[in-house]
Amino acid sequence: GESVGLHLPTLSVQEGDNSIINCAYSNSASDYFIWYKQESGKGPQFIIDIRSNMDKRQGQRVTVLLNKTVKHLSLQIAATQPGDSAVYFCAEVDGSSNTGKLIFGQGTTLQVKP
Amino acid sequence: ETGVTQSPTHLIKTRGQQVTLRCSSQSGHNTVSWYQQALGQGPQFIFQYYREEENGRGNFPPRFSGLQFPNYSSELNVNALELDDSALYLCASSLGRVRGEQYFGPGTRLTVT
Repeated sequence: GESVGLHLPTLSVQEGDNSIINCAYSNSASDYFIWYKQESGKGPQFIIDIRSNMDKRQGQRVTVLLNKTVKHLSLQIAATQPGDSAVYFCAEVDGSSNTGKLIFGQGTTLQVKP
Repeated sequence: ETGVTQSPTHLIKTRGQQVTLRCSSQSGHNTVSWYQQALGQGPQFIFQYYREEENGRGNFPPRFSGLQFPNYSSELNVNALELDDSALYLCASSLGRVRGEQYFGPGTRLTVT
């Protein structure tokens, strides 16, 4: 069945360190993936996306890696800051529908220690 | 800020009642998707509206219904509220049904007692 999951519910890192948040997906037909950040009391905020014809994409302080062989993607945050503390979700776009509906995992809480 | 607004921010209802939640999409966006996010979970797709018509539905019963207006704003209606309907309801707007980047509003926190 379709599912997107993250490996760890909580990740605690020291300010200034790099963070790596992992995600596994099950639908090999999925061809578009997005990482969202959700702060308390707010809606999910787009961070970065990647299509299946790529294996790496970089943004400002963030990098997403996609490994289609093992159906795994990761979000790397460089020089983690206190403002990065939030819940991070990976989302898969349902390639079998014409809605572009997002299928979310359960999320990983990133805690940044000063 | 994404420009997507939702109202109200918080709402408390009693089991069996009906509720209407509202969403104003970002300027220029013609598609609105609604999601339900239970505490500690990722958002779950309810349905999507594209140019005033429902365009896809998730695994939610018919008592969850919606509308989209000519200005692309949208409503989510839930009838016969159940305790399990307590959640954060998010709307996301996008340009296009499939590949448009979806921008989320802040959500409406619904509590059913």
